[in-house]
Amino acid sequence: DAKTTQPPSMDCAEGRAANLPCNHSTISGNEYVYWYRQIHSQGPQYIIHGLKNNETNEMASLIITEDRKSSTLILPHATLRDTAVYYCIVRVALGGSYIPTFGRGTSLIVHP
Amino acid sequence: EAQVTQNPRYLITVTGKKLTVTCSQNMNHEYMSWYRQDPGLGLRQIYYSMNVEVTDKGDVPEGYKVSRKEKRNFPLILESPSPNQTSLYFCASSGFNTEAFFGQGTRLTVV
Repeated sequence: DAKTTQPPSMDCAEGRAANLPCNHSTISGNEYVYWYRQIHSQGPQYIIHGLKNNETNEMASLIITEDRKSSTLILPHATLRDTAVYYCIVRVALGGSYIPTFGRGTSLIVHP
Repeated sequence: EAQVTQNPRYLITVTGKKLTVTCSQNMNHEYMSWYRQDPGLGLRQIYYSMNVEVTDKGDVPEGYKVSRKEKRNFPLILESPSPNQTSLYFCASSGFNTEAFFGQGTRLTVV
């Protein structure tokens, strides 16, 4: 699986958009970009994933650059509850089942 | 409700006393895995299983055993726990084209 690089920490004001970048310059054509987050020692939680196109769900939006070498997770209106560590993971859909391996992620602090 | 259940949530034990942390999933997932999380080191994979009777080592398998006798259960066994195994442990499962689901964690302290 391709390696990812994320800033170790970021902060954001409550109500503003949080834009979390991820670099995956060695990504292959069949590798997906996944995002998870972990809120204070709870189990990690899936947020969103994509291959080429931008994706949006009820939690966030995922913007993938045209060359697929980087992506941005957008939390459109961050709340205090979004304070967490966010992990960007690149993985191949091998046979459909996969358990992610995690890097250090980005610690996002949302402040009032 | 789809979930991964770990037990116990908290455990304090003494060095050398065998223990088992259970993990069960109700989603009929093929993949299951154990992680440990330590401050400054992030989530590290201990063992994983691709299906019943198929297990393999992750990044930090020393001192741990697992078994996968049935699809829903994937217990983590510490035959002779040591203080350096004090950690927060997570179990996860994943099915065909699904994201990974995680348990709520087991905080283990070995004294």
